[in-house]
Amino acid sequence: AQSVSQHNHHVILSEAASLELGCNYSYGGTVNLFWYVQYPGQHLQLLLKYFSGDPLVKGIKGFEAEFIKSKFSFNLRKPSVQWSDTAEYFCAVKTDGSGNTGKLIFGQGTTLQVKP
Amino acid sequence: EAGVAQSPRYKIIEKRQSVAFWCNPISGHATLYWYQQILGQGPKLLIQFQNNGVVDDSQLPKDRFSAERLKGVDSTLKIQPAKLEDSAVYLCASSPRTTGELFFGEGSRLTVL
Repeated sequence: AQSVSQHNHHVILSEAASLELGCNYSYGGTVNLFWYVQYPGQHLQLLLKYFSGDPLVKGIKGFEAEFIKSKFSFNLRKPSVQWSDTAEYFCAVKTDGSGNTGKLIFGQGTTLQVKP
Repeated sequence: EAGVAQSPRYKIIEKRQSVAFWCNPISGHATLYWYQQILGQGPKLLIQFQNNGVVDDSQLPKDRFSAERLKGVDSTLKIQPAKLEDSAVYLCASSPRTTGELFFGEGSRLTVL
């Protein structure tokens, strides 16, 4: 069965530190890849997505992610975090890739706490 | 653009009672999803609709959960009877045909006592 694994459950960083959150998936077919963020008290929002093309994708708020097909990975990065980045981050994989009918599977999430 | 609307935001019930959640997706979005998010876990897909047809309900506990999408727009998710382990946030999301991106509502938090 398809699955998504996020390496870190809880990450604590100081402001200005660099961030990398790991995400691996298990699925041999075509995938679309997403990172969603959930700020405290808010709903899930899209940070960035990869469908095809350049494997390095840039999202909102200075986040980027790199798709490495050979490693089945889609790690999220940010060079310098801010206190406002404190949130829960979810990696998600849409399998099948068949337009809009594919199933979106989430990882278990990583809680990021940024200390001012 | 109005987002995905869900109600109620919070619900507390006793075990064995029933509960229903409502979702109004973004106008024009053909696909609608219900996810269950238990504290400390990622969202788990319960059911996916394409217009008013079910695409995937493989993880829906059909002995107690049911869902319908009326006329391909609004949707309701019902739990009857509820169990303690159903305590979770129930998320509704919708997606336009072209992008595949999911837009989420704020969720309905269920506590079963």
